[in-house]
Amino acid sequence: NAGVTQTPKFQVLKTGQSMTLQCAQDMNHNSMYWYRQDPGMGLRLIYYSASEGTTDKGEVPNGYNVSRLNKREFSLRLESAAPSQTSVYFCASSVGWNGYTFGSGTRLTVV
Amino acid sequence: GQQVMQIPQYQHVQEGEDFTTYCNSSTTLSNIQWYKQRPGGHPVFLIQLVKSGEVKKQKRLTFQFGEAKKNSSLHITATQTTDVGTYFCAGGGATNKLIFGTGTLLAVQP
Repeated sequence: NAGVTQTPKFQVLKTGQSMTLQCAQDMNHNSMYWYRQDPGMGLRLIYYSASEGTTDKGEVPNGYNVSRLNKREFSLRLESAAPSQTSVYFCASSVGWNGYTFGSGTRLTVV
Repeated sequence: GQQVMQIPQYQHVQEGEDFTTYCNSSTTLSNIQWYKQRPGGHPVFLIQLVKSGEVKKQKRLTFQFGEAKKNSSLHITATQTTDVGTYFCAGGGATNKLIFGTGTLLAVQP
């Protein structure tokens, strides 16, 4: 049982490049989330998907898009990366209000 | 929008001392959750509190949810070096999404 799997673990992008962060969970959870973590800022919600086929903006959605491909997979896309998007990105999943299960994170640097 | 504040930002203790972190929300919460993140790791779910005034214990950890459901605390008795990490509270509102506090980094000196 792998839980939540994120790829890649590390990535360096040049300003203006695009990329997609992948996330998959094997726990049959309905809800999935993307957070970014910056020093002193805690975890900030980018987008979430309460169930397959739905997505909603979180606190900091600008510059990002998401796709809930199916119940297992929820991807995060940066269309034109900016240095301000340098961060650690975490994907998480849950069943309703129960505790979230987080992936191991993607450390992204935009130069 | 909903905000969740956490204090202190950083706490350094000697091994064996107690530790407490506090969490306050700008709005009434449906539930509050606590997570621990080890250095370089990812957040790991510890516990969820739902009822007003609820108190739960996990070994040396005691979690409380305020009567007004707007604040919470985590208390660790007799800290150990394995307690090192950042502790986050996260408040739930009407939807499934959680708003995380800024976290308290705990350092434990042997």
